[in-house]
Amino acid sequence: QSALTQPASVSGSPGQSITISCTGTSSDVGDYNYVSWYQQHPGKVPKLMIYDVNNRPSGISNRFSGSKSGNTASLTISGLQAEDEADYYCSSYTISSTYVVFGGGTKLTVL
Amino acid sequence: QLQLQESGPGLVKPSETLSLTCTVSGGSIRSSSYYWGWIRQPPGKGLEWIGSIYYSGTSYYNASLKSRVTISIDTSKNEFSLNVSSVTAADTAVFYCVSGRREPGIRGPTLFDYWGQGTLVTVSS
Repeated sequence: QSALTQPASVSGSPGQSITISCTGTSSDVGDYNYVSWYQQHPGKVPKLMIYDVNNRPSGISNRFSGSKSGNTASLTISGLQAEDEADYYCSSYTISSTYVVFGGGTKLTVL
Repeated sequence: QLQLQESGPGLVKPSETLSLTCTVSGGSIRSSSYYWGWIRQPPGKGLEWIGSIYYSGTSYYNASLKSRVTISIDTSKNEFSLNVSSVTAADTAVFYCVSGRREPGIRGPTLFDYWGQGTLVTVSS
């Protein structure tokens, strides 16, 4: 069981927006703004898409955005494109002796 | 642009020790901005952080694996290594070496920005 809870799957049509939630606790998501999101296409290496809750690394489309409310972080993808179909993982720093926790991953299907 | 490359055996016998090395290029492993670490992903499953090390030798481990894991660093070779002892089939995974951002006052990485290509390690007799 992963420390952060994500929906197993979400789907949307091209052009639509979707949101993936990532629920933690007051020891991780709720207490630190060190939430990051990773995109992983099948057989590929994970790629950092969002860091520090709502920052995009250079080269990442502004269709990707992040937010946080309480113990839940969210990744929103607007203007869905076929290439967005992938697995998405959230991660957070945690005060616990685990230091870093990941969500179980969400499979995004573009219909 | 940092580049990381894993190397090591792709097959390990149960109860033995899994050993991998990550070679860093395009930057110094002595950077004050980074931790160097490992993340694994069992086939068809999610990501799990194993641990990270700073060039000074300070290391942090996932509590669930700490008793079996050692990460070491060789600054002269710009590389770091992972040892996992007493492996079982449950340790079969793709292992990624990663760079993790270091924030002052925070014990451990706060994001993972550069990843190696990953190497599949199978535990089987």
